[in-house]
Amino acid sequence: DTAVSQTPKYLVTQMGNDKSIKCEQNLGHDTMYWYKQDSKKFLKIMFSYNNKELIINETVPNRFSPKSPDKAHLNLHINSLELGDSAVYFCASSQGQGRRNIQYFGAGTRLSVL
Amino acid sequence: ILNVEQSPQSLHVQEGDSTNFTCSFPSSNFYALHWYRWETAKSPEALFVMTLNGDEKKKGRISATLNTKEGYSYLYIKGSQPEDSATYLCAFPRSGGGADGLTFGKGTHLIIQP
Repeated sequence: DTAVSQTPKYLVTQMGNDKSIKCEQNLGHDTMYWYKQDSKKFLKIMFSYNNKELIINETVPNRFSPKSPDKAHLNLHINSLELGDSAVYFCASSQGQGRRNIQYFGAGTRLSVL
Repeated sequence: ILNVEQSPQSLHVQEGDSTNFTCSFPSSNFYALHWYRWETAKSPEALFVMTLNGDEKKKGRISATLNTKEGYSYLYIKGSQPEDSATYLCAFPRSGGGADGLTFGKGTHLIIQP
């Protein structure tokens, strides 16, 4: 069983469209994250949620809206997609908010905006 | 703003040889340092969370050391095998707390040549 699963794995879409990426974790964790792998290959934090509540929104355009219907899910909705949104997006989860807590990652969603 | 630097960026090693690479991080306000192993097309997987100055952790042929005073950690691989080929990432918790996510280095891309 995959601990942190993201769907879809690949997403190809046109500029201006709205799309969602889903993330589910079956580890019983209470904290979930979205990271973006940027053009320089760095993994950068976008959002984190703890017990369905937004903890951080790291200077991400408001076209990106995370939604956490329950502790096991953190979905990412993107409106009006732009070329620059093309990247690999990773979901992660951890138990608790401690700085020493291991984060478990999904396999990533490669988004290509044409 | 945290800077996590990793060197070298890529490394080719003959099978059977041992190797090591470096992660540098801000030495002030240290909480923890995370090491992840990331195989192509898979999820980043946690190797170690280092917390104490002088810490040494080991997992099979892979070990890591930590110097918080000077702000660096080394990852060592003994007797490299082809399955060790991966990108090795280090990450530093952001200052606001664990739920603020991790700041990642760019990684060391390790290729083991048979």
